[in-house]
Amino acid sequence: EVQLVESGGGLVPPGGSLRVSCVGSGFTFGSYRMTWVRQAPGKGLEWVAGIKERGTEKNYVDSVKGRFAISRDDAKNSVFLQMNSLRVEDSGVYFCARKHLVRGIDYWGQGTMVTVSS
Amino acid sequence: NFMLTQPHSLSESPGKTVTISCTGSRGSIVRNHVQWFQQRPGSAPTALSFEDGQRPSGVPDRFSVSIDGSSNSASLTISGLRTEDEADYFCLAYDNYNQVFGGGTKLTVL
Repeated sequence: EVQLVESGGGLVPPGGSLRVSCVGSGFTFGSYRMTWVRQAPGKGLEWVAGIKERGTEKNYVDSVKGRFAISRDDAKNSVFLQMNSLRVEDSGVYFCARKHLVRGIDYWGQGTMVTVSS
Repeated sequence: NFMLTQPHSLSESPGKTVTISCTGSRGSIVRNHVQWFQQRPGSAPTALSFEDGQRPSGVPDRFSVSIDGSSNSASLTISGLRTEDEADYFCLAYDNYNQVFGGGTKLTVL
């Protein structure tokens, strides 16, 4: 059974940093692209970042470029999102999702809550 | 910036059919690999369709997707509506190397 479990969310002041993690199981982690999607309270979904197999390519939504960094450690079946210079508008639930080359996003984690507030 | 526009909300009765549209602001939605997701309150999204147009296992054939090149829109049609279909629905497409979600449609079944 495919499982994705996020962790690392919490309360951080504006300008602070946080790293959220996602561990995958039940599949060959290194064979899949991974994606981070966030959802502000009561709002829609926003694609944040994606990373290809072996980390060969990384892409970001414009609003986080230069502040967030996506990375992966295939030996630990993990993908990370390092978030720096956090803003109030970065608050929300952060989901990691598995992305199949042909099918697209096919599995989601349950998410981890990030709150940026003073 | 590329945007996907969905109706904010829709309401329909059980047993009826509803269609949710997703219109691209530019480019060709026909060549874009659109996906659809369902999200129930308090839960993570789940895929209703894949980029190749196939349905994930476990998704009933009451859910179908289509593309209309003339209006640059993708559509999700749900037939034989059930109360458990009440949820938020999101489309997802590509913008160059990134991806973009539509704003989401809140479907009420009553």
